[in-house]
Amino acid sequence: DAGITQSPRHKVTETGTPVTLRCHQTENHRYMYWYRQDPGHGLRLIHYSYGVKDTDKGEVSDGYSVSRSKTEDFLLTLESATSSQTSVYFCAIRDREYQPQHFGDGTRLSIL
Amino acid sequence: EDQVTQSPEALRLQEGESSSLNCSYTVSGLRGLFWYRQDPGKGPEFLFTLYSAGEEKEKERLKATLTKKESFLHITAPKPEDSATYLCAVLDAGGTSYGKLTFGQGTILTVHP
Repeated sequence: DAGITQSPRHKVTETGTPVTLRCHQTENHRYMYWYRQDPGHGLRLIHYSYGVKDTDKGEVSDGYSVSRSKTEDFLLTLESATSSQTSVYFCAIRDREYQPQHFGDGTRLSIL
Repeated sequence: EDQVTQSPEALRLQEGESSSLNCSYTVSGLRGLFWYRQDPGKGPEFLFTLYSAGEEKEKERLKATLTKKESFLHITAPKPEDSATYLCAVLDAGGTSYGKLTFGQGTILTVHP
């Protein structure tokens, strides 16, 4: 199994509160990704990173920010959570070009 | 814009009843097609990568094939433990710099004993 740990695994919070999800890898892979998975939409890319302090937006980045201060950690922040951000969030890592991405087991986030 | 369509949405099989899942794609230039398996409450687990038309990969009861427009995941004599959602994703030429994948919505496979 790829060494990817997501935390927390479950979280319930209220609208308007800040939320930070963490992805930690032990593989020393360069690329890291955050996805959300929703019924009817499949997996959609939120943000990605191609190195320490190097990040960029994916297709559904509004309302989310990310940071990567160390190779092993990639943080996803919802500055002010909304109910539409209730979802399951997955982190993925990739080593080199054309190689597959490997996924963590996700964080189930509920915003009430 | 890249598009990936998987069919059927759901498939119910009896143990031992072989079948195939389909993944049709539209991309500007295919650089890789990936199959994943996802169990409830878990992240997608990588199964296969296919890079060019005519390529085939096998693993236990699963065999993935690729043409210029679609990929098939053949399941031979499935067992109940093969029950899962199977996801297909494509990497196109424009996305190779950071590995952006476009995913299909998956096929939910249920194998009854």
